[in-house]
Amino acid sequence: GNSVTQMEGPVTLSEEAFLTINCTYTATGYPSLFWYVQYPGEGLQLLLKATKADDKGSNKGFEATYRKETTSFHLEKGSVQVSDSAVYFCALNTNAGKSTFGDGTTLTVKP
Amino acid sequence: DGGITQSPKYLFRKEGQNVTLSCEQNLNHDAMYWYRQDPGQGLRLIYYSQIVNDFQKGDIAEGYSVSREKKESFPLTVTSAQKNPTAFYLCASSPSIESYEQYFGPGTRLTVT
Repeated sequence: GNSVTQMEGPVTLSEEAFLTINCTYTATGYPSLFWYVQYPGEGLQLLLKATKADDKGSNKGFEATYRKETTSFHLEKGSVQVSDSAVYFCALNTNAGKSTFGDGTTLTVKP
Repeated sequence: DGGITQSPKYLFRKEGQNVTLSCEQNLNHDAMYWYRQDPGQGLRLIYYSQIVNDFQKGDIAEGYSVSREKKESFPLTVTSAQKNPTAFYLCASSPSIESYEQYFGPGTRLTVT
């Protein structure tokens, strides 16, 4: 079956540091890949997505590139802010309607 | 504004009682989903519905039931058969069966004592 493995957290960074959160996947077929963000006590929000190999998704300074050869979709940001503190989920979908989520990575950014 | 609403935000029940969580969307989406989230874990799919009057079990459907009588509404009932009902419940929707990203509501935190 499909699965998503995320880098274990929590991750603690100082403001303006570089962020990488690793995500690898196994899937049948050709999945679409996503990063969602969850702020405390809230639902998930789509952060970015990529629907085919070599696509780069980007939003709010975050980027992730769909790497089919390494089955990865690592999330990066060049300079994090305190407001980026949240839980980040990597997810995939090969059949519309049934997404598979990673366990989430908690990011804390300190001023 | 368009979006997904879940109510209430916090819900408390005694063990042995059934409880229904509300989920409403005004995005005109065909597909709707219910997930359960436990501390430090990812989301687990309980039920999903691709169209009105149709729904399928997800990975952890035991102890839960749903209905989809209207396009905009997808209520979830947590029955007394659910052994560990205390959790954060998230409802989501997507535009159609061909769409991949999901739009989430704010969640309901259910505590059963």
